[in-house]
Amino acid sequence: NAGVIQTPRHKVTGKGQEATLWCEPISGHSAVFWYRQTIVQGLEFLTYFRNQAPIDDSGMPKERFSAQMPNQSHSTLKIQSTQPQDSAVYLCASSLAWGGGAETLYFGSGTRLTVL
Amino acid sequence: SQWGEENLQALSIQEGEDVTMNCSYKTYTTVVQWYRQKSGKGPAQLILIRSNEREKRSGRLRATLDTSSQSSSLSITGTLATDTAVYFCATDSSGSWQLIFGSGTQLTVMP
Repeated sequence: NAGVIQTPRHKVTGKGQEATLWCEPISGHSAVFWYRQTIVQGLEFLTYFRNQAPIDDSGMPKERFSAQMPNQSHSTLKIQSTQPQDSAVYLCASSLAWGGGAETLYFGSGTRLTVL
Repeated sequence: SQWGEENLQALSIQEGEDVTMNCSYKTYTTVVQWYRQKSGKGPAQLILIRSNEREKRSGRLRATLDTSSQSSSLSITGTLATDTAVYFCATDSSGSWQLIFGSGTQLTVMP
């Protein structure tokens, strides 16, 4: 079991460019989460999928961020017109099931996005 | 925020010492998880404790949960340099699907 795989590990974009981040959850896990991590804000929830369906995107900045899960083996987080304040580590996590705080999240190593 | 301000700390200790990290939370919960994040990696769960357990042990780790004071602690005995990491407590917010993480404690264990 390779765990949650995130690619790329590092991404540098210029201001205004688009960035697409990829996540491959653990096989058989039905829940997929995206978090953003910065020194100032810590770990922030962005969005959650269950069985590929979007369930909660309340943490997503509405205008430039979007997430999809076209199949059970991968999810993408797309940031359009990137801004310097989008610089962060973006973490994907999966869970066997998700009924709330009693389930374990398995995190990938993250994608470090730097917007110049 | 679900978590109290005192969660943000940095601790530096010598290898072999024991350490305790604390979290306090604001809204009712019955489960607290503790995660550890090493440099360049994502968080990894260490221990999950439920309100009916009050205390849970796993190897050198011991977690407590006190729902009356809305606080949780994680203790590590006989620390090793490899325990150097950021430690997070996490719980769900009532009625939310989100697992909310505290600000974390940076633990540095010097050999």
